[in-house]
Amino acid sequence: EPEVTQTPSHQVTQMGQEVILRCVPISNHLYFYWYRQILGQKVEFLVSFYNNEISEKSEIFDDQFSVERPDGSNFTLKIRSTKLEDSAMYFCASREKTGERYFGAGTRLSVL
Amino acid sequence: KNEVEQSPQNLTAQEGEFITINCSYSVGISALHWLQQHPGGGIVSLFMLSSGKKKHGRLIATINIQEKHSSLHITASHPRDSAVYICAVRPLRGGGADGLTFGKGTHLIIQP
Repeated sequence: EPEVTQTPSHQVTQMGQEVILRCVPISNHLYFYWYRQILGQKVEFLVSFYNNEISEKSEIFDDQFSVERPDGSNFTLKIRSTKLEDSAMYFCASREKTGERYFGAGTRLSVL
Repeated sequence: KNEVEQSPQNLTAQEGEFITINCSYSVGISALHWLQQHPGGGIVSLFMLSSGKKKHGRLIATINIQEKHSSLHITASHPRDSAVYICAVRPLRGGGADGLTFGKGTHLIIQP
């Protein structure tokens, strides 16, 4: 069964460093998403991406965040200068034109 | 601001019991999702609903658009059903916006 793949599963970084979280969505999917979940809290929407551009972003997704689909298969989330409060589980998801979202297993980001 | 409220927050039941988890939301939506989050953190989509009722195996999801309410039922519950069940809605917005708003989840434990 096709799946959304996220790497790495756990990323540890120092405050102020840049991190790139990587996702490989399901190959025929058209819509891509990033979500985050701070430990013990609910899942929050960050950004959606369609047709090579951001279609919606939340208040959380400020200038420190960016997304890219550099090569037609990968979908990346970059955090330019990480803060302690960026520590969370980050989930990538994708879907076809209609239908359910398929989630990756997540990347746990720990900012020290 | 849309709120998604789930009840109960925590539920412990015996194997074989019929389980009901409720979700209420406060604005118009185009779709409602039920998701399952395993102890390791991964998220699996169970249902996407815009009206009526859907069934998959022992899981049943219903939605009442007029009352802004949905329920997830599990029949003949089993310890492997133990997980966090999350309700998420796609609020009605223009411009292709499709970010989800999530509830806090219901932590379900099924005891043998």
